Amino acid sequence: GAGVSQSPSNKVTEKGKDVELRCDPISGHTALYWYRQSLGQGLEFLIYFQGNSAPDKSGLPSDRFSAERTGGSVSTLTIQRTQQEDSAVYLCASSLLRAGTAGNTIYFGEGSWLTVV
Amino acid sequence: QQQVKQSPQSLIVQKGGISIINCAYENTAFDYFPWYQQFPGKGPALLIAIRPDVSEKKEGRFTISFNKSAKQFSLHIMDSQPGDSATYFCAASRAGSNYKLTFGKGTLLTVNP
Repeated sequence: GAGVSQSPSNKVTEKGKDVELRCDPISGHTALYWYRQSLGQGLEFLIYFQGNSAPDKSGLPSDRFSAERTGGSVSTLTIQRTQQEDSAVYLCASSLLRAGTAGNTIYFGEGSWLTVV
Repeated sequence: QQQVKQSPQSLIVQKGGISIINCAYENTAFDYFPWYQQFPGKGPALLIAIRPDVSEKKEGRFTISFNKSAKQFSLHIMDSQPGDSATYFCAASRAGSNYKLTFGKGTLLTVNP
């Protein structure tokens, strides 16, 4: 596809269950980002992948959250033992160049809406 | 600690009017200030961005004004149109960590026809 693709678009899960959210970045993009958008809040940085470098995981809110990026392309965000406060829209984004490069643009997907009941 | 404060929370403007959204930041290490536009059910899209070496940047009807000494920046939408109705987010990041955007809480703009 032409844009960043995320699945599922909506997920309702029971408290305590594990969930996996998938992101397909734009083809050829080297940088991949995960952000979280809670109701009434701005976006919150979670994790950044750049090429083969070690990811910056400093935004992950707890050790229940993890993410991987396989083959420099698809990424999966996993939330273990989900809690109600995890309910949010999880946004994936990608960019062609390393973040901070002049002219680089970050493209966001439409997000995965997670509801923990 | 909220590092980027955005106001107003919501804004209603008549078609053809000027929409103004303000942001203030605390971290003087920030060196990149983008604005994002988000329509319901969609991801944010980059609208316009500025670096602190200039005080103003204009792209079509959208202008960023930047005041480094006051640590403030604002988005002006000239000749506002109903199609501009969306949520607008300001953001900031610092050199070496430009992937780690710190966002404001957003402004819901409604442009009445």
